Amino acid sequence: DAKTTQPNSMESNEEEPVHLPCNHSTISGTDYIHWYRQLPSQGPEYVIHGLTSNVNNRMASLAIAEDRKSSTLILHRATLRDAAVYYCILRVAGGSEKLVFGKGTKLTVNP
Amino acid sequence: GAGVSQSPSNKVTEKGKDVELRCDPISGHTALYWYRQSLGQGLEFLIYFQGNSAPDKSGLPSDRFSAERTGGSVSTLTIQRTQQEDSAVYLCASSLGGFVARLGYTFGSGTRLTVV
Repeated sequence: DAKTTQPNSMESNEEEPVHLPCNHSTISGTDYIHWYRQLPSQGPEYVIHGLTSNVNNRMASLAIAEDRKSSTLILHRATLRDAAVYYCILRVAGGSEKLVFGKGTKLTVNP
Repeated sequence: GAGVSQSPSNKVTEKGKDVELRCDPISGHTALYWYRQSLGQGLEFLIYFQGNSAPDKSGLPSDRFSAERTGGSVSTLTIQRTQQEDSAVYLCASSLGGFVARLGYTFGSGTRLTVV
């Protein structure tokens, strides 16, 4: 499975924007970029996904580099409830069905 | 139902006993996955069911682990002769069927298994 690289941890202050980076330099043309997050004591939760264009939904925005070798998950105004581990995952078209989770980025939001 | 339901939410068992963990996927979701997460660790894939196809069992750690999915809906993960290293949170997820790279999973809240 294609590999992603994320920082182990990041900190933010409440009500400030947060930019969570992900590197995926071996991405191929048909791989989708997915983001999940896992709040404490809960199962992972789907956040957003994209292929080439930037994407927005009610939870977050996804900015994808023009060469697709990196992407950034943007939380526009962090809240305390956004404290979680954020996973960046590539869904390989035509590859294995299972999602392969890495270590993710642990986001701490300070009040 | 509205989400993926797992039961029990917590299970404490004695070493050597068998346990069964249950997952009720979202209605209409034909794909079902089991993962486990040990304390402070990432998610480890166990097994995947898709419709009537043979399951992908490539993540099962030993032959003490097995899973079935009856009628394309409810799934049961069975661990025989439990060991202390089996202690973890067991997570179930479901998604709309077929391999479509753009589809997301919906996870349940998990079953926390403690083997004493």
